[in-house]
Amino acid sequence: DAKTTQPPSMDCAEGRAANLPCNHSTISGNEYVYWYRQIHSQGPQYIIHGLKNNETNEMASLIITEDKKSSTLILPHATLRDTAVYYCIVLRMDSSYKLIFGSGTRLLVRP
Amino acid sequence: DTGVSQNPRHKITKRGQNVTFRCDPISEHNRLYWYRQTLGQGPEFLTYFQNEAQLEKSRLLSDRFSAERPKGSFSTLEIQRTEQGDSAMYLCASSSQQGAAEAFFGQGTRLTVV
Repeated sequence: DAKTTQPPSMDCAEGRAANLPCNHSTISGNEYVYWYRQIHSQGPQYIIHGLKNNETNEMASLIITEDKKSSTLILPHATLRDTAVYYCIVLRMDSSYKLIFGSGTRLLVRP
Repeated sequence: DTGVSQNPRHKITKRGQNVTFRCDPISEHNRLYWYRQTLGQGPEFLTYFQNEAQLEKSRLLSDRFSAERPKGSFSTLEIQRTEQGDSAMYLCASSSQQGAAEAFFGQGTRLTVV
């Protein structure tokens, strides 16, 4: 599975959009991009995933570049409860679907 | 069924003792995963079941660790002769076999070996 690179930390103001980048330059065509987050002392929580097209759900939007080498998770109106570690994971669709977590991005939403 | 359930939530044990954790996945999910997480790190994959078959084990899973999933329902993770380095959060996740399904995680069991 392709490796991902994320900034170790970011912050944003409450009510503003949080844009979390992820580089996955070795990704292949049959690999998905998944995003999870982990709020302190809880298990990771699924946010969104995509193969090559942009995706949106009730939690976030996922923008994948045309060459698939990078993506951005967008939380449109960040709240204090969005403070968490965000993990970008690349997953092969024919694998066991085991998730390989990196260090993630620690997002701090400021009041 | 509201989610993945793990028990106990916390376990303190003396070095050398055996411990067992339990995971109850979401009922219709046939995939079950165990992960370990130490402070400041992302979760690390330990092992994976599809139904009752254990299909993959990480090199992190030493011979002191054993996992089972009898009848493809709940799963147990046992650590024998615990060491202080085993202190961590042990997370369980489950998912369905439908395409690229997302995994649902439990709250974890925090193990402290003293």
